[in-house]
Amino acid sequence: DQQVKQNSPSLSVQEGRISILNCDYTNSMFDYFLWYKKYPAEGPTFLISISSIKDKNEDGRFTVFLNKSAKHLSLHIVPSQPGDSAVYFCAAFRGYGNKLVFGAGTILRVKS
Amino acid sequence: DAEITQSPRHKITETGRQVTLACHQTWNHNNMFWYRQDLGHGLRLIHYSYGVHDTNKGEVSDGYSVSRSNTEDLPLTLESAASSQTSVYFCASSATSSGVDTQYFGPGTRLTVL
Repeated sequence: DQQVKQNSPSLSVQEGRISILNCDYTNSMFDYFLWYKKYPAEGPTFLISISSIKDKNEDGRFTVFLNKSAKHLSLHIVPSQPGDSAVYFCAAFRGYGNKLVFGAGTILRVKS
Repeated sequence: DAEITQSPRHKITETGRQVTLACHQTWNHNNMFWYRQDLGHGLRLIHYSYGVHDTNKGEVSDGYSVSRSNTEDLPLTLESAASSQTSVYFCASSATSSGVDTQYFGPGTRLTVL
């Protein structure tokens, strides 16, 4: 039973445009959400996070939006750059033990 | 600079063999985690540890074991490798278990079981 779902396996975007990556979760006990970015042959690296008490968090070109009622979050990248091409994982945290539950990932391709 | 390393980076083994994957971190983090990454499943937690001599099972722990004899290392052992354990394995560490904390990942080990 996947508690964190990324329903789009891949996304292709033109350079300079907005990339929107989506994530849905089923467990209402999750209280913190993170996005990780992964390049081929490397480990995932932390990108941005959001607490469940907020609905938006921004860091440069990256913004994460959280809709608790819909159990949905999204990552916006504006403007998209070719170097953003990677796999993006959504992850959720349940308030203890620092264990993360990951989604399946979305491959983002930014075309120049 | 502090880092987390994994070895080997690539491993091919045969069904039934015992395999150990190494993970070493110099962050001095208390928490260490092992994940496997498979297409369509993302990262799934195998085992984790909150400190020396502490180990816990994750969601996909069958066929795997870990031991934590010091802060820096958490080796992952496949007791009798199976083809279903062909995967990419990632080790991660984080500083605290009290609240959310960024996990830092190693570069991964690609394991093929023939």
